[in-house]
Amino acid sequence: QVQLQESGPGLVKPSETLSLTCSVSGDSISSNYWSWIRQPPGKGLEWIGYIYYSGSTYYNPSLQSRVTISVDTSKNQFSLRLSSVTAADSAVYYCAREGIYYDSIFFDFWGQGTLVTVSS
Amino acid sequence: AIRMTQSPSSLSASTGDRVTITCRASQGISSYLAWYQQKPGKAPKLLMYAASTLQSGVPSRFSGSGSGTDFTLTISCLQSEDFATYYCQQYDSYPRTFGQGTKVEIK
Repeated sequence: QVQLQESGPGLVKPSETLSLTCSVSGDSISSNYWSWIRQPPGKGLEWIGYIYYSGSTYYNPSLQSRVTISVDTSKNQFSLRLSSVTAADSAVYYCAREGIYYDSIFFDFWGQGTLVTVSS
Repeated sequence: AIRMTQSPSSLSASTGDRVTITCRASQGISSYLAWYQQKPGKAPKLLMYAASTLQSGVPSRFSGSGSGTDFTLTISCLQSEDFATYYCQQYDSYPRTFGQGTKVEIK
């Protein structure tokens, strides 16, 4: 069974950089696509971006200037960095696998999520 | 980006009711649509993909239909464990986008 687990600080100061890591077990990160998705309290889901094991990435244009997603295949992990954060970046952050099934690619496994609050 | 619009935003229903949620894409997405169920404090759970294919382990009371721009999720006989928020999501193109969610509450 594929499992994902987010880790990182739960509190980040405004203007600083949010950093999270997703550890993957039960699957090699050298397959499928790996994404970050966030959900502000009481609101809907926003896709942040993905990384492929080769290092290729695609970011949501709404966040592109502040986002970096990287992968460490030796540790079977991928990471998110979001710079210059404000209170609007406070959210539960999920990592997810975008599984490839024939011509369909969708989020089939999710981490439990980690709440990040931006506050001084 | 493709905009996904769900309706209604919330609904009240009783156990045993038939419930239908609609999702509309701002442009055609063929059948590249997934549905997720989310309960409070939990991650979303995949229910369906390719608009109408049930994910393994999901009860058959859930069904989906549609293609192009208009889609529906139907729960044929609502059970207590089905009270949750439901999201549609397109995977036709990046950036991936979700509907705003439909909260199914107990009447």
